[in-house]
Amino acid sequence: GAVVSQHPSWVICKSGTSVKIECRSLDFQATTMFWYRQFPKQSLMLMATSNEGSKATYEQGVEKDKFLINHASLTLSTLTVTSAHPEDSSFYICSASKLAGESGEQFFGPGTRLTVL
Amino acid sequence: GQNIDQPTEMTATEGAIVQINCTYQTSGFNGLFWYQQHAGEAPTFLSYNVLDGLEEKGRFSSFLSRSKGYSYLLLKELQMKDSASYLCAVKDSNYQLIWGAGTKLIIKP
Repeated sequence: GAVVSQHPSWVICKSGTSVKIECRSLDFQATTMFWYRQFPKQSLMLMATSNEGSKATYEQGVEKDKFLINHASLTLSTLTVTSAHPEDSSFYICSASKLAGESGEQFFGPGTRLTVL
Repeated sequence: GQNIDQPTEMTATEGAIVQINCTYQTSGFNGLFWYQQHAGEAPTFLSYNVLDGLEEKGRFSSFLSRSKGYSYLLLKELQMKDSASYLCAVKDSNYQLIWGAGTKLIIKP
């Protein structure tokens, strides 16, 4: 199989606080992990791509200092939303690919719903 | 620019057949994916096409024509649980996934 987990599944936080979301590949080694954001009734928006042991590649318009990504091992990537504001409220989804680079099927985590008050 | 077009919403009857179309204009092509996404959940993989033709997998089939920049997802013997959004995504020359906005499929009894 290819199972990806995310934690937490939902989180509510106060404006100005930081929130960390974990993404784990449970039964395979993920050389590449992807972080997406999805607003209601909109498509997935890729935020960044990360390869184990290297810096993440951020998409245009995504603030790397606000959305900190760490891919410390082949099974774990974390996204930290720093100084969260209500406009950061969204559904954050990670996915993982088994193969190096960007080829191969992506396996998605269940998503994390973030609400910033 | 890069663009993926699919209908916003479709309605079909339980037990019937529905075809969801996807047209794309991307810088290069390295495969097309269809994903299913139920409300509030993450997408799940349905199919992958990289060569022209029809790929059949149970009740679901996916077709690709690279010359026309066109794909469709065919769902047969529709069930109520098929009510979901269906996302078309294309890998461009940089192997980056370009996502369509998704087609919300509503199944009526």
